[in-house]
Amino acid sequence: QVQLQESGPGLVKPSETLSLTCTVSGDSISAYYWSWVRQPPGRSLEWIGYIYYSGSTTYNPSLKSRVTISLDTSKNQFSLKLTSVTAADTALYYCARTNYGDYAGSSPAFDIWGQGTMVTVSS
Amino acid sequence: QSVLTQPPSVSAAPGQKVTISCSGSSSNIGDNYVSWYQQVPGTAPKLLIYDNNKRSSGMRDRFSASKSGTSATLGITGLQAGDEADYFCGTWDDSLSALVFGGGTKLTVL
Repeated sequence: QVQLQESGPGLVKPSETLSLTCTVSGDSISAYYWSWVRQPPGRSLEWIGYIYYSGSTTYNPSLKSRVTISLDTSKNQFSLKLTSVTAADTALYYCARTNYGDYAGSSPAFDIWGQGTMVTVSS
Repeated sequence: QSVLTQPPSVSAAPGQKVTISCSGSSSNIGDNYVSWYQQVPGTAPKLLIYDNNKRSSGMRDRFSASKSGTSATLGITGLQAGDEADYFCGTWDDSLSALVFGGGTKLTVL
């Protein structure tokens, strides 16, 4: 079965860059869209952005100026970089496989999730 | 403040039915398809419903959903203790050009 696993530092200093990697097993990354979603402690979910296997990206405009999502098909991984972090970026970060539904106008939905990795921004 | 509005909590007894609402606007729910997620405490969210009312692979038919206008509803029948979780709705927002979520609803099985 398809599994996703996030990895990266759990502590990042303010103003530095948060870097996470998601390793996909059980399926090729060369299909589907692949997303990052975060969840601050005790709060709801926030979509960060996604990358298509072709390399094209779509970001949440609220984070777009600071986000880069990239793909490494040779390692079956995709990555997140978030620059100039502040305490507001402290959250549980999930990677997720992303599918559009069955209709031409379907919204993306996240059908397989990693277990999540907690990132704290603090000096 | 989430773009989609959900009640903070709902509760019902085992075996009963509960509904969870998700209210939005013409730029999100009104014009796009809705998904629903279940998040048991300490675990990652799980996709329940996509395209307004289609159950995700492996999801029991105790879970159903619908959409009308700018609102969506998730229904759960035959409540079990294992259904205790947070439930989130999500959809694309045309004005924000982003996928947005509701604030989440905590389901308590009494």
